[in-house]
Order: sequence, then structure tokens, then C-alpha cells
Amino acid sequence: QSALTQPASVSGSPGQSITISCTGTSSDVGSFNLVSWYQQHPGKAPKLMIYEVSKRPSGVSNRFSGSKSGNKASLTISGLQAEDEADYYCCSYAGSSTVVFGGGTKLTVL
Amino acid sequence: QLQLQESGPGLVKPSETLSLTCTVSGGSISSSSYYWGWIRQPPGKGLEWIGSIYYSGSTSYNPSLKSRVTISVDTSKNQLSLKLSSVTAADTAVYYCARRMEYSSGAYWDYWGQGTLVTVSS
Repeated sequence: QSALTQPASVSGSPGQSITISCTGTSSDVGSFNLVSWYQQHPGKAPKLMIYEVSKRPSGVSNRFSGSKSGNKASLTISGLQAEDEADYYCCSYAGSSTVVFGGGTKLTVL
Repeated sequence: QLQLQESGPGLVKPSETLSLTCTVSGGSISSSSYYWGWIRQPPGKGLEWIGSIYYSGSTSYNPSLKSRVTISVDTSKNQLSLKLSSVTAADTAVYYCARRMEYSSGAYWDYWGQGTLVTVSS
């Protein structure tokens, strides 16, 4: 069970859009529409932003959206705001009640 | 509002066993549809799933840690626990407990504890 692959960092200016990729295998991302995304600010617990690839929990801004194609999932944040600067992690169900996280991506708002 | 709170020693000696407890309030750990799990984060690094347990006691573990991990639930106290044996400095991390929806409901982690830092050092 290897960690999902995410870029180490991405950046964008306020108002722009960015996309964070999350690449897995046919055993996890590719097999299940059960990818979730978490936002983590320094010193804080992760917060659920997207579940089941593209669904948003109540209270999460519609600037956050998710998608998946094959073994790769993506998180897009539109209309970047300073408060979006954080670390982002993807997570996929991997069968037999196991899950796997991505390595994390640091988003910098320029 | 569901709340999870981790507790346990903040310092563990190498080769000893790390033991943590997570107390769940505002909801029952015996509810179906949910798994309860432990996730850790070494300083400056990413999240790593340690393992999960269903209220019935059924467990699943990260293969890389399976030989050293035991997760259990005490439904009478609404608590889950983590034991990690033969620890080394590589096990130094913030340890989170969290609730996960079951597979048929999305398999996502919706509630997290605040995390507790455990340092392995002599």
C-alpha cells in the first residue's frame, strides 16, 4: 500500500484557480469513487473539504470542487483567497476496509 | 456535536509500547455506519493511516504497521484505544483519532480529534 502521489507544492494569486492532482493505482483511486480531500492549517486537525470524489460537505465553499479520471483525482480551488493557504491531502478507499492518504500538497497564495 | 479527544503519554521510550485513548462524546461509538480510526503525522510530514475499527470489533490495519498495532474499542466508556509496540524515533508524530463513514456511505473521515504529540526518546 503506497501513498497516493500529490505535488509537493502549488501556488496561485488571489482570484485565480489552482488544481491539485492525486495519483493512485487501479487498486485504490481507480477502483472506487471514494476519494476525499482534506484541508489542514498549521497546528490544526484536517478538515473534510470533498468526499466521494466531488461532493461538498455542508458549509464548504462552492469554490472547492473535485473530479476523477482513471487513477487520478483532482481538487480545484477557484477564486483563490488568502485563507485557502494550507496543506491539502487526498485520501482513497483501497478495499478491505483500508484507506490510503496522499503525501500532501502545500498551497501558497501569492 | 460529536467530539473526539485523544489522551496518553507525550513521551515514550524506544522499544516500549505507545498507548493512546480517544474519548468520544456527543455520540455513540456503537453506532453502525461508522468506523473509528487512528491517523498519525510525523513533524513536517504527511498523514498516515494507522488502522480502523468497527464498533463490532472488526479491525483493519496499515500493512506497514500491522505487526505492531492493536486498536480496540470499549463501548461502555465510549472510547477507542491504540497500542503501538516496539516504537522507535520514526514513530514520533501527532496522533489523531477520527471517525470514518463506512464504505457504502462514502468512506470519508468527517470528525477528527485535535491530535496529540507523542515523542519517542530516551
